[in-house]
Amino acid sequence: DSGVTQTPKHLITATGQRVTLRCSPRSGDLSVYWYQQSLDQGLQFLIQYYNGEERAKGNILERFSAQQFPDLHSELNLSSLELGDSALYFCASSASPEETQYFGPGTRLLVL
Amino acid sequence: DQQVKQNSPSLSVQEGRISILNCDYTNSMFDYFLWYKKYPAEGPTFLISISSIKDKNEDGRFTVFLNKSAKHLSLHIVPSQPGDSAVYFCAATNTGNQFYFGTGTSLTVIP
Repeated sequence: DSGVTQTPKHLITATGQRVTLRCSPRSGDLSVYWYQQSLDQGLQFLIQYYNGEERAKGNILERFSAQQFPDLHSELNLSSLELGDSALYFCASSASPEETQYFGPGTRLLVL
Repeated sequence: DQQVKQNSPSLSVQEGRISILNCDYTNSMFDYFLWYKKYPAEGPTFLISISSIKDKNEDGRFTVFLNKSAKHLSLHIVPSQPGDSAVYFCAATNTGNQFYFGTGTSLTVIP
């Protein structure tokens, strides 16, 4: 158990819908990262937050947004969902941006 | 643009033998490299790392080698055990910035 929790574990929804994925980092970690893993793909970095502020942005679509709250938990919002958004979404946390990331178990999103 | 590449999608090794997983990168600014291990239905877990000031780091059965001139790193597992069967991801970063992950190599250790 990495100490990073993600909810929900599974999510099935329809195209055009909007969903919110939630992540609670390890106790004391200030950095949160979001990754997408599609079938046969590596982990694609989406976005990073540090102590509530956006720090780095990767291949995140405009339909996607995220935020980190004062209690350091983070949410990833996916809107106008398309079939191709079906993937595993991982959250990771670290004490600081320079330190090793610890991953949550992921949320499996299926868009039908 | 894939800055970290794992060109072997899969690898099979006999139990007790050495497993060698390879990773190449393109960005010479990367200064910290990591290997993660992932079992099905779980998130990746940190395995071992190496700083660019070193060329080798060892932790038990796991050794990571870094060849900066070739922009290549490898993970050696000796001896390989069936429980090592998993997908292995290498990752690289310019410290404090974005982490880049490879596409993973699926290792199967045959008993």
